[in-house]
Amino acid sequence: EIVLTQSPATLSVSPGERATLSCRASQSVGSNLAWYQQKPGQAPRLLIYGASTRPTSVPARISGSGSGTDFTLTISSLQSEDFAVYFCQQYDNWPPYTFGQGTKLEIK
Amino acid sequence: QVHLVESGGGVVQPGGSLRLSCAVSGFSLSNYGMHWVRQAPGKGLEWVAFIRYDGSKTYYADSVKGRFTISRDISKNTLHLQMNTLRVDDTAVYFCAKDRWQLVRAPFDNWGQGTQVTVSA
Repeated sequence: EIVLTQSPATLSVSPGERATLSCRASQSVGSNLAWYQQKPGQAPRLLIYGASTRPTSVPARISGSGSGTDFTLTISSLQSEDFAVYFCQQYDNWPPYTFGQGTKLEIK
Repeated sequence: QVHLVESGGGVVQPGGSLRLSCAVSGFSLSNYGMHWVRQAPGKGLEWVAFIRYDGSKTYYADSVKGRFTISRDISKNTLHLQMNTLRVDDTAVYFCAKDRWQLVRAPFDNWGQGTQVTVSA
């Protein structure tokens, strides 16, 4: 089973600043990594797939990078709606599909 | 527009059973693989089960193998999760989610709002 480790667990950032979230895989997943955003009481929302591809509905201030075992989600110029929990997920080697434990992005 | 709506959650005693449903619209279950993912209170996401787009194979997390069964009714465009021998640690919100494409490796691009399952004596 591939283990995904996200860091930090909580990130405090001021609106308008940049946030950088990390996800590390226990073995290579190639580019088969996704990022999801989840707000309280809501379903997860797909933000990034293929490590760096945004669905058309996701704003350009959100970007992903990385391959193999190290991945980064960057949100530039944080807006109020960006404060949420973010999960990474690998869909390279399954079953099982695995998720990271999440990073909570909170307002500083 | 793609839409997924779960139902069937509730409170059940340990050892009991529940059947969850996920009614979908905006696409056909015969074209996309479907998943169940759960989230225990205050915890992260745990993948539970997957059925291929052609219905030919199903896959399960070790934690539910032998107790849960994923299935679908194409004519009703509804996904199901039959949960038997429920345990306290099955307590969670259960989400259904859709594969983005038919390839072997696909992210989950649409999710339902979830249904709460509580297993308690």
